[in-house]
Amino acid sequence: EVQLLESGGGLVQPGGSLRLSCAASGFTFSSFAMTWVRQAPGKGLEWVSAISGSGASTYYADSVKGRFTISRDYSKNTLYLQMNSLRAEDTAVYYCAKPGGDYTVMDVWGQGTTVTVSS
Amino acid sequence: QSVLTQPPSVSAAPGQKVTISCSGSSSNIGNNYVSWYQQLPGTAPKLLIYDNNKRPSGIPDRFSGSKSGTSATLGITGLQTGDEADYYCGTWDSSLSGVVFGGGTKLTVL
Repeated sequence: EVQLLESGGGLVQPGGSLRLSCAASGFTFSSFAMTWVRQAPGKGLEWVSAISGSGASTYYADSVKGRFTISRDYSKNTLYLQMNSLRAEDTAVYYCAKPGGDYTVMDVWGQGTTVTVSS
Repeated sequence: QSVLTQPPSVSAAPGQKVTISCSGSSSNIGNNYVSWYQQLPGTAPKLLIYDNNKRPSGIPDRFSGSKSGTSATLGITGLQTGDEADYYCGTWDSSLSGVVFGGGTKLTVL
């Protein structure tokens, strides 16, 4: 069974850092791109970042560019999102998702991990 | 302000049909495939339609998708109370080099 399990969320002060993890299982991790999507409380979906299967290509939303870094560890089948200089507006549930085709065809989603940025 | 524009809400009676529109531009919908997602309350989104009109395995044919120019439409027939959810369109934006979503449409089955 294909599964994605996020972890690493929590409460952090503005300006702080947090690293999210997404453990993947049930598929060949290196063969697929991976993405992060977030959802602020009561709001819609916002794409955050994507990384190619090889890791050679990364993409970021303008709202997080320069502050967030996406990466992947093939030995651990794990996707990461390093979040620095966090702001209140980064408060959201963060989902990792596996695209089945191009980056927009996210056919498997994790359950999400909650990040709260507050003093 | 989302790059893709969806109506905030739609409603219809059980058994009826509803359509949800998604409007974009040539840099996104006009030149890229559209996907649709269903998000039931308190759950992660679920892929409903991809490549404009294809359904993943397990998605009933009550759900359909279409695209024309810079707009896309999700159709749901034979509405059920279990279809009450938020629906999002998504596509790649070539100018932004990223995925863009619509603001979401809340479907109420009266």
